[in-house]
Amino acid sequence: AQTVTQSQPEMSVQEAETVTLSCTYDTSENNYYLFWYKQPPSRQMILVIRQEAYKQQNATENRFSVNFQKAAKSFSLKISDSQLGDTAMYFCAFMKRGRTGTASKLTFGTGTRLQVTL
Amino acid sequence: GAVVSQHPSRVICKSGTSVKIECRSLDFQATTMFWYRQFPKKSLMLMATSNEGSKATYEQGVEKDKFLINHASLTLSTLTVTSAHPEDSSFYICSARGTFDLVETQYFGPGTRLLVL
Repeated sequence: AQTVTQSQPEMSVQEAETVTLSCTYDTSENNYYLFWYKQPPSRQMILVIRQEAYKQQNATENRFSVNFQKAAKSFSLKISDSQLGDTAMYFCAFMKRGRTGTASKLTFGTGTRLQVTL
Repeated sequence: GAVVSQHPSRVICKSGTSVKIECRSLDFQATTMFWYRQFPKKSLMLMATSNEGSKATYEQGVEKDKFLINHASLTLSTLTVTSAHPEDSSFYICSARGTFDLVETQYFGPGTRLLVL
């Protein structure tokens, strides 16, 4: 079974600064995906960024980037130029890459609540 | 693209009644959808995996007769909470599995807040 650990229950960052959210996972699988989802106060889960484990290059999406360390089983999220709208709960998630035609489950971490302040 | 809707967004019902929640993938077909439950300030808990045209797969501890799931088409899955009780009050979220750019991803609906009186 897979486990995902987010060791920072809450974090705070000032507007325009950079913040890094940590995530570690444990798995015996070799083919998998990793995701960061954001859940703002509206409670809508929004995909922030995703990473395929076989890709060495770290994924980036505008102000969001990841530091994927496969050997260390670490998948941190860096938010640059933080904005007030980034205030949300952030969940790290793991998905085993399934066989063609089969769907795999997401395993979520416990989340990190990020507050962006003026 | 990859928009998932849920209806209703909020529902209040009396104890003992049944409530149906719909989950639709609006701009893509989803052979698989997932149903989650989320308690306040907690992570998402997977309840079941809904497969189009076949029976749902329930997670351990989830009562299949209590939470009925139907996935009748490639764009619609429904969750019916039967004989609801106050302890069923929660936030229910669905997701639909999509494969874009060859990466399997789950896209989430906006959630349904259920309050059972």
